[in-house]
Amino acid sequence: DGGITQSPKYLFRKEGQNVTLSCEQNLNHDAMYWYRQDPGQGLRLIYYSQIVNDFQKGDIAEGYSVSREKKESFPLTVTSAQKNPTAFYLCASSTPGDGAGELFFGEGSRLTVL
Amino acid sequence: AQKVTQAQTEISVVEKEDVTLDCVYETRDTTYYLFWYKQPPSGELVFLIRRNSFDEQNEISGRYSWNFQKSTSSFNFTITASQVVDSAVYFCALTPAYTGTASKLTFGTGTRLQVTL
Repeated sequence: DGGITQSPKYLFRKEGQNVTLSCEQNLNHDAMYWYRQDPGQGLRLIYYSQIVNDFQKGDIAEGYSVSREKKESFPLTVTSAQKNPTAFYLCASSTPGDGAGELFFGEGSRLTVL
Repeated sequence: AQKVTQAQTEISVVEKEDVTLDCVYETRDTTYYLFWYKQPPSGELVFLIRRNSFDEQNEISGRYSWNFQKSTSSFNFTITASQVVDSAVYFCALTPAYTGTASKLTFGTGTRLQVTL
């Protein structure tokens, strides 16, 4: 089945450690995204990529890094510089469509910093 | 700057009741798209509808209907005869229409709908 696969589903990290969240899609979509979800705050865009080897910062990129070496993959690294990393992270990809393509989401990764 | 407001944080209804989820938006763009997504307990967001700002026709899909009113900057979502399976968090979102590959959506804070028997 086509879709977005995120791993791990749950992740615990000690303060000061970097952690990488995986996102893989087999939908052949060019654009991919990372969102952060906190209770009562909706979804906020961290980074997005329109094409391989290219990515742009979203609204809350500080403390995060990404890479886009393959069309199918868009991993997110939460660095030790991220002050409050405990959150639910959602990866998405989109169909082309005048910048308003429908987003397809993975099931998310819940990161807890101990 | 764009903004999406979902003033209802949580709504509880009894099965078979009708329920309307409100969405009010702000944008300076003349052409834009509005979306509704559903987030069930499993976590992934599921696309429900996309509406172009030029198309103010109401839409009905089964028990779901959407009322887009540009004059009041609202895009409300009604579930008729609600069911327990409708329990989820619902998000309204907005993006300007422009030439590009990425869809940079601005999301509201979501409305949690609880449908009980």
